Amino acid sequence: SQTIHQWPATLVQPVGSPLSLECTVEGTSNPNLYWYRQAAGRGLQLLFYSVGIGQISSEVPQNLSASRPQDRQFILSSKKLLLSDSGFYLCAWSVVGVTGELFFGEGSRLTVL
Amino acid sequence: AQSVTQLGSHVSVSEGALVLLRCNYSSSVPPYLFWYVQYPNQGLQLLLKYTTGATLVKGINGFEAEFKKSETSFHLTKPSAHMSDAAEYFCAVTTYNNNDMRFGAGTRLTVKP
Repeated sequence: SQTIHQWPATLVQPVGSPLSLECTVEGTSNPNLYWYRQAAGRGLQLLFYSVGIGQISSEVPQNLSASRPQDRQFILSSKKLLLSDSGFYLCAWSVVGVTGELFFGEGSRLTVL
Repeated sequence: AQSVTQLGSHVSVSEGALVLLRCNYSSSVPPYLFWYVQYPNQGLQLLLKYTTGATLVKGINGFEAEFKKSETSFHLTKPSAHMSDAAEYFCAVTTYNNNDMRFGAGTRLTVKP
């Protein structure tokens, strides 16, 4: 069966520090991969999605970036965090070309102080 | 692009009462519609989905939803609420072979004893 792992689960970072969140999917090949952000009291905002290694589409201009160095690995990064980057970050995957159903990781809560 | 609107950011019901969470969608092509549930500090879990075929779809935990094209709606219902149903619920829409799933702002369901 397929599983998705996301880490770290919680982190507190000072403004201006770097960020790296990792997401790994197991049990499937060539998935679509996604990063969403969920701010307090708000819905989910799509940040990035990837249809293959090295292929990244950005939905919202910001100081975050994403990379897909391997087929089932998706990384969210920042060189310098802002206060507004605080939130709950969710990684998700889907099967290419099917119904589009997303499978989510457990999330990473980022607090920028 | 497709979109969804969830009516009511907070819904409160008594245990044993009917649960009704409202979702209206907008899409220029046939939509695929989803309801997800999120418990505190966790990822999203799929409750049910509509792609094609029967317009009344049943999901996990006794939830069901009906796709009504004429009303552009996909409301979520459960005949009798349990305390364990307290969570945040998200309606989402995508289309065939589309990498972009759009989420509503979410509805927080509270169940009173």
